Amino acid sequence: QKEVEQDPGPLSVPEGAIVSLNCTYSNSAFQYFMWYRQYSRKGPELLMYTYSSGNKEDGRFTAQVDKSSKYISLFIRDSQPSDSATYLCAMSPNYGGSQGNLIFGKGTKLSVKP
Amino acid sequence: DAGVTQSPTHLIKTRGQQVTLRCSPKSGHDTVSWYQQALGQGPQFIFQYYEEEERQRGNFPDRFSGHQFPNYSSELNVNALLLGDSALYLCASSPAATNEKLFFGSGTQLSVL
Repeated sequence: QKEVEQDPGPLSVPEGAIVSLNCTYSNSAFQYFMWYRQYSRKGPELLMYTYSSGNKEDGRFTAQVDKSSKYISLFIRDSQPSDSATYLCAMSPNYGGSQGNLIFGKGTKLSVKP
Repeated sequence: DAGVTQSPTHLIKTRGQQVTLRCSPKSGHDTVSWYQQALGQGPQFIFQYYEEEERQRGNFPDRFSGHQFPNYSSELNVNALLLGDSALYLCASSPAATNEKLFFGSGTQLSVL
């Protein structure tokens, strides 16, 4: 079993839809959870960063962490064609500058159709 | 303010050859991490450099080595290239002294034929 499991999709939704992206993990040492967005031929860009269980909102994006179930989610409201990208979840037992050893999921490829 | 810059953007090598990839961190960052991203996979941690020393290492063979220079820039060297080394190699930087997050470059696409 991989440490981080993420459904690779692809996922195709109409513009304006609510998108739900999920990851499960097996390592209880993971304390810090991140969502990255990666456009084609580009490096990952940090979207959301959470520590505790619960929800964190930033504009149209909401990150949810359930440590008891080892399950994290990213919700995108009012999805736009510009949201079309690959979304990667990432986790680490470490915080801040020492977090070089991020463990990533495979990524989910999202396409938002106009 | 330039972000993380990597060179070259694309590279084609033959099996058995050696390759060197280069990374300049974001201004103010002193820690550099390298990741390998195979097609359709998430990035995998190779190693991290801080103060010109390897601080952490992932599950990669000794064919993968690195270096960090006094100006914080870094190189990734891969010896005896295998077909399976074909991937996007990503460099990420962060400041060790604060809890700022990783910033990634656009990567070097390596193809091994």
